[in-house]
Amino acid sequence: ETGVTQTPRHLVMGMTNKKSLKCEQHLGHNAMYWYKQSAKKPLELMFVYNFKEQTENNSVPSRFSPECPNSSHLFLHLHTLQPEDSALYLCASSQPLGTSDYNEQFFGPGTRLTVL
Amino acid sequence: AQKITQTQPGMFVQEKEAVTLDCTYDTSDPSYGLFWYKQPSSGEMIFLIYQGSYDQQNATEGRYSLNFQKARKSANLVISASQLGDSAMYFCAMRTQGAQKLVFGQGTRLTINP
Repeated sequence: ETGVTQTPRHLVMGMTNKKSLKCEQHLGHNAMYWYKQSAKKPLELMFVYNFKEQTENNSVPSRFSPECPNSSHLFLHLHTLQPEDSALYLCASSQPLGTSDYNEQFFGPGTRLTVL
Repeated sequence: AQKITQTQPGMFVQEKEAVTLDCTYDTSDPSYGLFWYKQPSSGEMIFLIYQGSYDQQNATEGRYSLNFQKARKSANLVISASQLGDSAMYFCAMRTQGAQKLVFGQGTRLTINP
């Protein structure tokens, strides 16, 4: 596998379910991100991790719980979600700030989540 | 606060024509970077091109070029000789110096007609 992978690609869950999204990057990066892409809204940053430590939480409700066990893996644990949480959830990775001019973020294909 | 505005929800272009996708931005930070990403129907965001706020020349990357007009706070993407495979959503994004957060615009859906 190369780049950034995400599983599952599609997920349908009820409001009382607990599920997890997984992201893995094979790029040797040390920063990882979760973004939410809802219909008709710009991508919104949710969380940032640097060297496994959470460095940014963009006022995300506690029903979304991230976990970063190492620099290559990032999870998003979901519980008691609402229908408005239905969206495409994108994971990204990059080098930490200061290591390159661009620090461009490389994205995975996303998980399309539907909450019933 | 930073903001990105893309005013073209959709664009339709004939194959082999050039196309310009508009992007204006707002920030009070003097140091920032501007990015363009392509999102095909598969969902993955693909990095296309980057322009730093202090770069003197417009960025180019193959068929992609960035028309950077700092005084107007615009960073339009130009795609030359469009191809059918260019059909996708295109997002303009900005990051200020010292921040990891990318702020995205609403996107423009580009359709290339044969």
